Amino acid sequence: DADVTQTPRNRITKTGKRIMLECSQTKGHDRMYWYRQDPGLGLRLIYYSFDVKDINKGEISDGYSVSRQAQAKFSLSLESAIPNQTALYFCATAGGKSTGELFFGEGSRLTVL
Amino acid sequence: SQQGEEDPQALSIQEGENATMNCSYKTSINNLQWYRQNSGRGLVHLILIRSNEREKHSGRLRVTLDTSKKSSSLLITASRAADTASYFCATASMNTGFQKLVFGTGTRLLVSP
Repeated sequence: DADVTQTPRNRITKTGKRIMLECSQTKGHDRMYWYRQDPGLGLRLIYYSFDVKDINKGEISDGYSVSRQAQAKFSLSLESAIPNQTALYFCATAGGKSTGELFFGEGSRLTVL
Repeated sequence: SQQGEEDPQALSIQEGENATMNCSYKTSINNLQWYRQNSGRGLVHLILIRSNEREKHSGRLRVTLDTSKKSSSLLITASRAADTASYFCATASMNTGFQKLVFGTGTRLLVSP
């Protein structure tokens, strides 16, 4: 089983629908992240969380919200999806106190029609 | 906004040749990391180099860091078809917070048999 699991892996939805992307990890890491990847733009940080009670906005948080339900679970929600939120979304985790390596999930491909 | 910019955007070589990718960044960093992404998959950490290091090796990978020029290079020696992937640099800096990584836009490497 993967250490960082994202569900769903693929989702097609319509404009205005609420969407939740879920991430769970078995690595025991405190830090969890949501990134968005668009062609030619690399990865951009949406939200990050250092523990259950600590959630921070990244560079592109507008239109998104998150919930850290437990140390192992970090969900990303789109309250009212729009077409320019069509992208590949990645959850990542990191352990330790300094910036070390990130461990990524396999991604969730979201298409908003 | 991206901290790192990779160059070239795309690179095509033959098996056995060396591949060199460059990354430039804008602000002082704590460390710089390189990641690999197979098409549509999650990113995998390759190597981390700290700001007080100038060169680091891992198997067929060699990373250099020049903090005076704010640049890094990733060299893959004796490339294989399996090295075909996108490669991203990511920086951790005081400006972005030590516990966040900012990714570049990536270099697409194609290694032909």
